[in-house]
Amino acid sequence: AQSVTQLDSQVPVFEEAPVELRCNYSSSVSVYLFWYVQYPNQGLQLLLKYLSGSTLVKGINGFEAEFNKSQTSFHLRKPSVHISDTAEYFCAVSDYAGNMLTFGGGTRLMVKP
Amino acid sequence: DAGVIQSPRHEVTEMGQEVTLRCKPISGHDYLFWYRQTMMRGLELLIYFNNNVPIDDSGMPEDRFSAKMPNASFSTLKIQPSEPRDSAVYFCASSSPTDMNTEAFFGQGTRLTVV
Repeated sequence: AQSVTQLDSQVPVFEEAPVELRCNYSSSVSVYLFWYVQYPNQGLQLLLKYLSGSTLVKGINGFEAEFNKSQTSFHLRKPSVHISDTAEYFCAVSDYAGNMLTFGGGTRLMVKP
Repeated sequence: DAGVIQSPRHEVTEMGQEVTLRCKPISGHDYLFWYRQTMMRGLELLIYFNNNVPIDDSGMPEDRFSAKMPNASFSTLKIQPSEPRDSAVYFCASSSPTDMNTEAFFGQGTRLTVV
């Protein structure tokens, strides 16, 4: 079985400050890791994904994440956030068998001016 | 492609009524997923299909819930009878996993309110 833990339910941060959203997972098989963003009243949009290869993954909107197998983590980072980054962020894990995703509880990023 | 299309976007119904949610996946995708999002339980997988065949429905909460995929371009999620605790946002997603591209695309969701 797989599970995902997002340690922070809310992260307030000032505009232009750096941010890290934490994600830890557990799985008994090889994993594929994802970060999705959900803007208010919208569906989920993929930010970035780790399938294999380099452990540092770059995504859209200036976000990046680092896969750490020994710590079973996949933290999301951005060096300088904008007001428009205010949204809910979901970390998810899947095995190869068809992208069935297991989601974390989500982290609400609140960027303040 | 217009992406995954769900209808309706919003649905308000009375307890005990039948509710049908609809989804059109991205053309060519052979996996289709139904998720439910609530404040209490977050995002949960309800059921998924591969090539129109249900593969795993262990997430379907009760027999009141049923899902079908009669063809590659259409799926429904039905709740009969509906209850207030079914109020949630229901998302449909589709994908076509390959070695190079493993990503699920989500629809805008259907916000269901049962009063």
